[in-house]
Amino acid sequence: DADVTQTPRNRITKTGKRIMLECSQTKGHDRMYWYRQDPGLGLRLIYYSFDVKDINKGEISDGYSVSRQAQAKFSLSLESAIPNQTALYFCATSDRVRNTDTQYFGPGTRLTVL
Amino acid sequence: AQSVTQLGSHVSVSEGALVLLRCNYSSSVPPYLFWYVQYPNQGLQLLLKYTSAATLVKGINGFEAEFKKSETSFHLTKPSAHMSDAAEYFCAVSQGTDKLIFGTGTRLQVFP
Repeated sequence: DADVTQTPRNRITKTGKRIMLECSQTKGHDRMYWYRQDPGLGLRLIYYSFDVKDINKGEISDGYSVSRQAQAKFSLSLESAIPNQTALYFCATSDRVRNTDTQYFGPGTRLTVL
Repeated sequence: AQSVTQLGSHVSVSEGALVLLRCNYSSSVPPYLFWYVQYPNQGLQLLLKYTSAATLVKGINGFEAEFKKSETSFHLTKPSAHMSDAAEYFCAVSQGTDKLIFGTGTRLQVFP
C-alpha cells in the first residue's frame, strides 16, 4: 500500500469552481507539502506545514488555500479555479528528525481547468 | 538564495552508454542535495542524496552522483543505460530547512 495517497488522481473542472485536493499519509511524518508541476518549470512549492498548527506559504500560494486537518491529512483548495491552474499537483511528506530533508511524494493529481 | 540549474532539458543515450545528467547549485551554506526520478504517470522517487558525508553518493538502480564543492556541481551518472531508465530526473537543493528547491528537470530517453 502507498504511504502517501492523493485523491482524486484526475480531475476536470470549469473556471470559477471550487476544488479540493486531498492528501493522506501513513508514514507518521510531521511535515507535509503541496507542489505543482508544470512542463519546463519543475516543481514549485505552494504551501507547507511543519505540524498541525503551523502552515506556511510557499513560492506560489496566490489562488490556493490549505487545511491540515490532522497530522496525516493535508488538503489543498482552489477557491475559484482558473485555467492557468491546470497542472500536476503533488503532495509530499518529510520527517524532520530522521530524514535530513528527504521528502516522499504521492502519485499526483492531474487537474484540468476548462 | 538557493537555486538549482539542470543543463539540458532532454538527454538521449543509447542502451549501454554512459548516462550523465548535469546539476549545478547555488547555496550560501553547505547544502543537502538530492536527485529524484519521475517515471511516467508516477510521483517522484528519491534516487540518492548528499548530506555532507561522503562526496560520492551511490543511489538506487546503479546511479551515483559526486558532490564537487569547487564546481558547485552534483552531476548524476550511470555507467550503462538501460531502457527502464527512461524518465524525468530532478535535482534539488535544501539548506536543512526542509524546503527543497527543484531544478526544471531533465528528460532522459534511452534508445535501443
